[in-house]
Amino acid sequence: SQKIEQNSEALNIQEGKTATLTCNYTNYSPAYLQWYRQDPGRGPVFLLLIRENEKEKRKERLKVTFDTTLKQSLFHITASQPADSATYLCAPHNAGNMLTFGGGTRLMVKP
Amino acid sequence: DTGVSQDPRHKITKRGQNVTFRCDPISEHNRLYWYRQTLGQGPEFLTYFQNEAQLEKSRLLSDRFSAERPKGSFSTLEIQRTEQGDSAMYLCASSPGDSSPAQHFGDGTRLSIL
Repeated sequence: SQKIEQNSEALNIQEGKTATLTCNYTNYSPAYLQWYRQDPGRGPVFLLLIRENEKEKRKERLKVTFDTTLKQSLFHITASQPADSATYLCAPHNAGNMLTFGGGTRLMVKP
Repeated sequence: DTGVSQDPRHKITKRGQNVTFRCDPISEHNRLYWYRQTLGQGPEFLTYFQNEAQLEKSRLLSDRFSAERPKGSFSTLEIQRTEQGDSAMYLCASSPGDSSPAQHFGDGTRLSIL
């Protein structure tokens, strides 16, 4: 069956360091993959989309990679700040129009 | 851009009661989605509308759940005879279509069943 795995344990890092979050998927061949940020009590907010023919995508301090052979996407936040603390969700695109999300990884950036 | 609006933000009800939630999408978006999210999990897809047509429904959407988008603008999600397991955050999202698959989410309605 199709599965999306994100590290369910919180990732704690020091301010200024690079945070790296992982999204692994099985039994999928997504045409693209999206990353969202979610704060407590709020809805997810779209961050980045990367297509299957793109190896890497950047937006300000964010970088996403997409390895269709490994079936993995990595999400990096460079020069992390306490304001980056949130849960980050990946969503490899499946058939149809809905999103299928991983369980999310909580990031805590300590000052 | 006023964003996606959901009402109410919180709903507490007794088991067995019916509840209805409303979603107002971004005005120019023709696609509207409902998701359910429980604590520590990612959102799970429930149903999808393109304009007023309900095109996809998840197997999660039991016959106690019904969704409408009568004029292709706002949408309602009704849950009849609520059960304890219905306690969750119900999220609505909208998108403009194939040109931009990114979805814009509201802040959800948190449902608590007593």
